[in-house]
Amino acid sequence: GAVVSQHPSRVICKSGTSVKIECRSLDFQATTMFWYRQFPKQSLMLMATSNEGSKATYEQGVEKDKFLINHASLTLSTLTVTSAHPEDSSFYICSASRAQGGTGELFFGEGSRLTVL
Amino acid sequence: AQTVTQSQPEMSVQEAETVTLSCTYDTSESDYYLFWYKQPPSRQMILVIRQEAYKQQNATENRFSVNFQKAAKSFSLKISDSQLGDAAMYFCAYRANQFYFGTGTSLTVIP
Repeated sequence: GAVVSQHPSRVICKSGTSVKIECRSLDFQATTMFWYRQFPKQSLMLMATSNEGSKATYEQGVEKDKFLINHASLTLSTLTVTSAHPEDSSFYICSASRAQGGTGELFFGEGSRLTVL
Repeated sequence: AQTVTQSQPEMSVQEAETVTLSCTYDTSESDYYLFWYKQPPSRQMILVIRQEAYKQQNATENRFSVNFQKAAKSFSLKISDSQLGDAAMYFCAYRANQFYFGTGTSLTVIP
């Protein structure tokens, strides 16, 4: 199968600090990864599309300076929440699709629950 | 614009019974994919079933099947012989160039 691993699964930080979340495709190459934010009992909200070797494409209303995305290799994308505030507390999910030979679906990481105190 | 609509925020089904979750979508594309994802309390998104738009035959995966009506842009999910482990949020999704998710249906399975 296609496995996407996301780390950490839970993180608690103080207001004003930065937090990095990693998303790895373990057994396939992903030229594109997606970062979502999910509020309780709501759907996934696309934050940005991460492209290997180039700048991420952010959705309207998402602050690119607050949510830094880096896609340094075909298997790793990172989301850094900079100067985190309590309103950034949320569930963040990454996903990826196969660069080649895919059948269209997204494979999801386990998600990361961020709590900013 | 492509949108995905799930008109049932919550559904419940008796264990061992059958339930159908509704999904409609809007698109001008002719070639696309449709999916149903399950999100249990663990929050891990799990692919339940996939349908290619060019295929007329409805996809099935064990107890899960879809009713794909391309002209009506409808893609419902039928869960047969419901089990307690089926309780979860179910998201309908559409993909052409981008992925679009519905708002989800929370399924409760009653013992």
